[in-house]
Amino acid sequence: QSALTQPASVSGSPGQSITISCTGTSGDVGAYNYVSWYQQHPDKAPKLVIYGVNNRPSGVSNRFSGSKSGNTASLTISGLQTEDEADYYCSSYTSSSTLAYVFGTGTKVTVL
Amino acid sequence: QVQLVQSGAEVKMPGASVKVSCKASGYTFTIYGLHWVRQAPGQRLEWMGWINPGNGNTRDSQNFQDRVSLTRDTSANTFYMELTALRFEDSAVYYCARSGSDWSADNWGQGTLVTVS
Repeated sequence: QSALTQPASVSGSPGQSITISCTGTSGDVGAYNYVSWYQQHPDKAPKLVIYGVNNRPSGVSNRFSGSKSGNTASLTISGLQTEDEADYYCSSYTSSSTLAYVFGTGTKVTVL
Repeated sequence: QVQLVQSGAEVKMPGASVKVSCKASGYTFTIYGLHWVRQAPGQRLEWMGWINPGNGNTRDSQNFQDRVSLTRDTSANTFYMELTALRFEDSAVYYCARSGSDWSADNWGQGTLVTVS
């Protein structure tokens, strides 16, 4: 599989909650608890916001949370803030014969 | 603090090779693996490969058809990514990122712009 599937865009108003889905297969998202999420602002390097499905690195706001059900992982941002406007990518370890790690297609989050 | 500092921008002709470096500091070099990831303009992140600095073992994406070579110099705490037979579509920002035990990329370099023209 070349990429995990994410919605192209998600939007919400300040203070609202949004959820981004990440659909893979039984060979990646469904098979391993090695799902991560990254935030990327324009012209910046990505930043890890969730690892191991639902763990936050030190310094990441508790407004970010992750979950997984079957072959689909999700990132929820609660209390949406203007600085959350960015691109978000999921990723997973994979048992694919052609690659060991795969990113999602990316989701643009817009704060209205 | 953990830092990954990459080499500067490169301009290459089609068919040439490019070698990007990534110098690590602030942690024990041999304990954490390292990912290489690229991002073409306006496109998604694309995983290229991973190297274990302790033994030099690598995992590569076959999407690059054996054009990628990942190495490290433990004496210099530096990783290298070489991409051969460059094509116009290889123009991208190339990132190195430290890999945790769960394969998450927890610290990223600043990126290196490679332009094939």
